[in-house]
Amino acid sequence: QKEVEQNSGPLSVPEGAIASLNCTYSDRGSQSFFWYRQYSGKSPELIMSIYSNGDKEDGRFTAQLNKASQYVSLLIRDSQPSDSATYLCAVNAYFGNEKLTFGTGTRLTIIP
Amino acid sequence: GAVVSQHPSWVICKSGTSVKIECRSLDFQATTMFWYRQFPKQSLMLMATSNEGSKATYEQGVEKDKFLINHASLTLSTLTVTSAHPEDSSFYICSARTRDSTYEQYFGPGTRLTVT
Repeated sequence: QKEVEQNSGPLSVPEGAIASLNCTYSDRGSQSFFWYRQYSGKSPELIMSIYSNGDKEDGRFTAQLNKASQYVSLLIRDSQPSDSATYLCAVNAYFGNEKLTFGTGTRLTIIP
Repeated sequence: GAVVSQHPSWVICKSGTSVKIECRSLDFQATTMFWYRQFPKQSLMLMATSNEGSKATYEQGVEKDKFLINHASLTLSTLTVTSAHPEDSSFYICSARTRDSTYEQYFGPGTRLTVT
């Protein structure tokens, strides 16, 4: 079983709609959760971090964490063509372990 | 804040030569830096974790004698690919972690290495 799982997509969403990206993780002891955006040919860019259950909003982005169900999601409101990218979910297993475990990413395409 | 730079952004070298890639945290001190490799259409693969003033910790399957990592200061880590071969051609990306209590990693722009 993969430690961090994401649907590889591609996920196509009309411009202006809400894009919903999901991620599940296997280690119940995981403490920190991150969403990175990676444009083709570029390096990942941190867009959201979340550490406790519930929602965290930052502009058009909302991260949701449910530790009991072991999933974390990212919602993008009012999707724009510039949001078209691969979104990587990353999990830090436990305090003291600095490494992040990345999912394989979900490719998102916003259709104008 | 939390800007990480890498140099060079791309490099072409001949098989058998060595290439050094620099990773710098520009506006913060990085207790830990990480080196990743990414092949086309694949996810990030962690190669090693680098702490300032100590030896790097390599992931299983990564040859430490081939990929030399030096973390000389809180703002600079280098990766040297020794005796490069065409199969080492890849996108090498570093990241850095800040000194606070979170585990956020900030990535450099990456270095595209082509070995001919």
